[in-house]
Amino acid sequence: AQSVTQPDIHITVSEGASLELRCNYSYGATPYLFWYVQSPGQGLQLLLKYFSGDTLVQGIKGFEAEFKRSQSSFNLRKPSVHWSDAAEYFCAVSGGATNKLIFGTGTLLAVQP
Amino acid sequence: KAGVTQTPRYLIKTRGQQVTLSCSPISGHRSVSWYQQTPGQGLQFLFEYFSETQRNKGNFPGRFSGRQFSNSRSEMNVSTLELGDSALYLCASSHGTPEETQYFGPGTRLLVL
Repeated sequence: AQSVTQPDIHITVSEGASLELRCNYSYGATPYLFWYVQSPGQGLQLLLKYFSGDTLVQGIKGFEAEFKRSQSSFNLRKPSVHWSDAAEYFCAVSGGATNKLIFGTGTLLAVQP
Repeated sequence: KAGVTQTPRYLIKTRGQQVTLSCSPISGHRSVSWYQQTPGQGLQFLFEYFSETQRNKGNFPGRFSGRQFSNSRSEMNVSTLELGDSALYLCASSHGTPEETQYFGPGTRLLVL
């Protein structure tokens, strides 16, 4: 079955510290992988996506993610977190002939001053 | 380019009523997908419309339906509302292929009393 797992429900980091949010997927075909961010009361904004080529993907707001096929992972990283990064982060997968996104349960990020 | 718009933004209904939500995609996008977001179930795919045809459907009861018009605007309808239908309903538009970015609207927050 197709699924996305985000093991960390809630993470707290200090401003300026590095961040890594974990995402593991299960998908039979070649996956297309996405990270979205959602601020309170808002829709989802795409941070970055991977569908082929270089396995290290750069996104907006200084985020990057690395696709590791052998580990079925697509972890999101940022070297230095800003207070404005506090939000909920969702990993998602699609692929094959369908446009349907399968989302993980999300990771809520809190940033301490 | 204008983003995805959803109307209304907030809605309160009572059990047994029906509701219609509207989504206007980004100009040029032919695919509109709908998602339900709840604290318990997370983000779940409802259905996708492409060029006025339902192309994909999630695992929701028949009370949930949708349609798409020739200008790509989409509506979703929920009949015989239940308390559990209280959720944030998000629509997303794209050109329609799996690797394409789906752009999300701000959502319609539905409360069923």
